[in-house]
Amino acid sequence: QVQLQESGPGLVKPSQTLSLTCTVSSGSISGSTYYWSWVRQPAGKGLEWIGLIHASGSTNYAPSLKTRATLSLDTSQNQFSLKLRSVTAADTALYYCARLSFGLKTFDVWGQGTMVTVSS
Amino acid sequence: QSALTQPASVSGSPGQSITISCTGANSDVGNYKFVSWYQLHPGKAPKLIIYDVTERPSGVSNRFSGSTSGNTASLTISGLQAADEADYYCCSYVGSSTWVFGGGTKLTVL
Repeated sequence: QVQLQESGPGLVKPSQTLSLTCTVSSGSISGSTYYWSWVRQPAGKGLEWIGLIHASGSTNYAPSLKTRATLSLDTSQNQFSLKLRSVTAADTALYYCARLSFGLKTFDVWGQGTMVTVSS
Repeated sequence: QSALTQPASVSGSPGQSITISCTGANSDVGNYKFVSWYQLHPGKAPKLIIYDVTERPSGVSNRFSGSTSGNTASLTISGLQAADEADYYCCSYVGSSTWVFGGGTKLTVL
């Protein structure tokens, strides 16, 4: 059973870059079947899709975050990552990584999430 | 793309049925049969409980069912159990490889 685990700093200063990594176990991110995605949940608010990446290198982002977000893959480590530039307090959230079954347009496996606070 | 609209909270007693609505637009729920539902318990990984509007992943109880009508999708939980108390989110594909989620609904089992 594939498992996902997020990791990264829990505190980031305003205007800096938030960097998170998702480690995938019991499954390869190199296959063609799945895409890999990030979703966040600001405190007291709903889920927000951030973006996706495929082993081919193809990426796509939510329009609202397109100018600040970058997803990347490290197939040697079986990991994928999120970088979010120029963060503000509004980026404080619980960040989840998830596997996307593109054919079903469904996020079928999720990590437990990691909390990131943007504060000086 | 605006978030899908869900009621902030619903409640029910054990054994009862509840329905959570998820209202979108012609550009999302009303246009694509790619609505999914997720159950979130604090501190745990979100769990997929419904995909493709009505389909249940293997291992998900048949007490969970999904449907749509026009621009509104619905999740029904029958035979409520204490373990069902959680937050529930709907999600719709909106084309161009993008997705939108609902604002979430907190289910309380009385």
